[in-house]
Amino acid sequence: DVKVTQSSRYLVKRTGEKVFLECVQDMDHENMFWYRQDPGLGLRLIYFSYDVKMKEKGDIPEGYSVSREKKERFSLILESASTNQTSMYLCASSPPRGRLSPLHFGNGTRLTVT
Amino acid sequence: QKEVEQNSGPLSVPEGAIASLNCTYSDRVSQSFFWYRQYSGKSPELIMSIYSNGDKEDGRFTAQLNKASQYVSLLIRDSQPSDSATYLCAPIKEYGNKLVFGAGTILRVKS
Repeated sequence: DVKVTQSSRYLVKRTGEKVFLECVQDMDHENMFWYRQDPGLGLRLIYFSYDVKMKEKGDIPEGYSVSREKKERFSLILESASTNQTSMYLCASSPPRGRLSPLHFGNGTRLTVT
Repeated sequence: QKEVEQNSGPLSVPEGAIASLNCTYSDRVSQSFFWYRQYSGKSPELIMSIYSNGDKEDGRFTAQLNKASQYVSLLIRDSQPSDSATYLCAPIKEYGNKLVFGAGTILRVKS
């Protein structure tokens, strides 16, 4: 079974803090993704990566950055946390590009910025 | 126009009934789809995929794809209270290996 592990289940941070959300997958997947999920808005793609040291912006990258130094690890960075970044953050991974590559999700990190 | 649209619900059905969940999509997504189920406070889990026009059955679940109408649905037969969850429709974006998610439909199965 694919396992995608997010380092924290719940986080509370203050406005202006730099926040790191970590994600590790154990299936040697090339693709990794960061989504945020908000009520009524569904899942929105923040950043994704198809390979080590490679990153691409998703639909809502503003205020975020990412790092992928190793294949199994994909980190999401909030450079200066703001209250509108309070959300559920979901990391996911998938095999290389193919006709169908379903995403395998981590358990999520619920971030509250006060 | 949103790329993927779902009725937010909640859709309430009695136990044992058929639940029908619908999704419409724009031209900007491909015609390969995943259906995910998400329990409250949990992450999404894949339940079905469909790539061809027509029906695909897996146990109590049937996915239906109608490309002409840009419409995909998920039928759940013999609905159980444990099926109560949010169901997310997710087509693959036309270019690249990215999924686009609908906002989801809340299903409530009443015993």
